[in-house]
Amino acid sequence: GDSVTQMEGPVTLSEEAFLTINCTYTATGYPSLFWYVQYPGEGLQLLLKATKADDKGSNKGFEATYRKETTSFHLEKGSVQVSDSAVYFCALRTGANSKLTFGKGITLSVRP
Amino acid sequence: GAGVSQSPSNKVTEKGKDVELRCDPISGHTALYWYRQSLGQGLEFLIYFQGNSAPDKSGLPSDRFSAERTGGSVSTLTIQRTQQEDSAVYLCASSLPGTGGNTIYFGEGSWLTVV
Repeated sequence: GDSVTQMEGPVTLSEEAFLTINCTYTATGYPSLFWYVQYPGEGLQLLLKATKADDKGSNKGFEATYRKETTSFHLEKGSVQVSDSAVYFCALRTGANSKLTFGKGITLSVRP
Repeated sequence: GAGVSQSPSNKVTEKGKDVELRCDPISGHTALYWYRQSLGQGLEFLIYFQGNSAPDKSGLPSDRFSAERTGGSVSTLTIQRTQQEDSAVYLCASSLPGTGGNTIYFGEGSWLTVV
């Protein structure tokens, strides 16, 4: 079945540091890939997505590239801010009539 | 409203009681999902409705859990004879039909505490 593996957390960084959060997947079909974010006290919201190989999703300075050859969708940001502190979930979806499969999530804390 | 609406936002119930959680999806969204988020357990899929098709119930953890969707819109998740391990945030989400790349939008969740 489908699965998503995220790097273990939590991650603590200083403001303006470079961020990479690893995500790899296993899928039976050709999935669409997503990063969702959950800020403290808020609901889950889409951060970015990519629907085919080599697509790059981007939003709020975050980027992730769909790498079919390595089955990966790593999240990166060049300079994190305190406001980026949140829980980040990688997810996939194979086909229109299917659910999102999530990774376990990783907590990012950015200190001033 | 513009987003997925869930109620109640918080519910405290005694062990053994039944609870109902309601979800009102975004207008026009034919796909509706329920997930559970527990401390240390991540996001657990429960059930998925798509239009008039039979729902995917493969994630329901036991027969105490059931869900229905009336008129293709509002959905109710029912937990019978609640147990302490049912304490979690129950998230509802919806999306448009079409491709797998469509964004799935989540509600704020219903926080259930079983005491």
